[in-house]
Amino acid sequence: NAGVTQTPKFQVLKTGQSMTLQCAQDMNHEYMSWYRQDPGMGLRLIHYSVGAGITDQGEVPNGYNVSRSTTEDFPLRLLSAAPSQTSVYFCASSRADRGYEQYFGPGTRLTVT
Amino acid sequence: QQPVQSPQAVILREGEDAVINCSSSKALYSVHWYRQKHGEAPVFLMILLKGGEQKGHEKISASFNEKKQQSSLYLTASQLSYSGTYFCGTEGSNDYKLSFGAGTTVTVRA
Repeated sequence: NAGVTQTPKFQVLKTGQSMTLQCAQDMNHEYMSWYRQDPGMGLRLIHYSVGAGITDQGEVPNGYNVSRSTTEDFPLRLLSAAPSQTSVYFCASSRADRGYEQYFGPGTRLTVT
Repeated sequence: QQPVQSPQAVILREGEDAVINCSSSKALYSVHWYRQKHGEAPVFLMILLKGGEQKGHEKISASFNEKKQQSSLYLTASQLSYSGTYFCGTEGSNDYKLSFGAGTTVTVRA
C-alpha cells in the first residue's frame, strides 16, 4: 500500500493564480481531510469529508474548495492564490469518521509570491 | 475550535520525564496524540476515547479526563528519539472535526 500520497511536493504560485493540490489514499478510508500548517499555529483544518459526495468546512475554509467524487481522491483547490496561503498542506485519511488513527500524507509546501 | 496545549516547549536530558497538557472548551469524544519530526508528516502515537478505551503503542502513555475535557501525555525516561513537536487533536462529541493544538516542541539532549 502506498498509503496517503500528495502531489506536488513543492509549488510556487503567483498571486491570483489557481491550482489544485492532489491527495489520494489506497486504504479504502471513508474519512479524509486537509490541514494547513504554519509556524506556531499547529495544524488547522481546512475541509473534510466523511465519504464520497460529502464534504464540510473546517476551521479555515476561506479561499479553498474541495470535492469528493471517489473514495480514493480528495483534491484541494485554491481559487485565487494569496500570499497568506503560503503554508505546508497536509492531507490525512482514517478508517471512519471518529475515533481512528489519522494517516498523513508527506505534505505539499506552497509558496505564493 | 482548537485545543490549548502547554507548555509550548520543553528541554530534557535523556532519562528525564515530562508532561504535556491539552485542554478543550467543548465536550470531547476522543483525544489524539501525534509527534512530528522536522520536515516530516505527523505520526500517530495514541488515541484516548470517551469511556476509557485507549489505543496506542510505544513507551509513551496518556490520560484523558472527560469531565474536565483535558488530556495529558507522559514522556517517561525520555530518549533522544523522543525529540520533536507533539500535537494533541480533539474530536467533539457532536461533530466530526479533528482539531489540533499549536504543538509542544520537545528537545531531548544527551
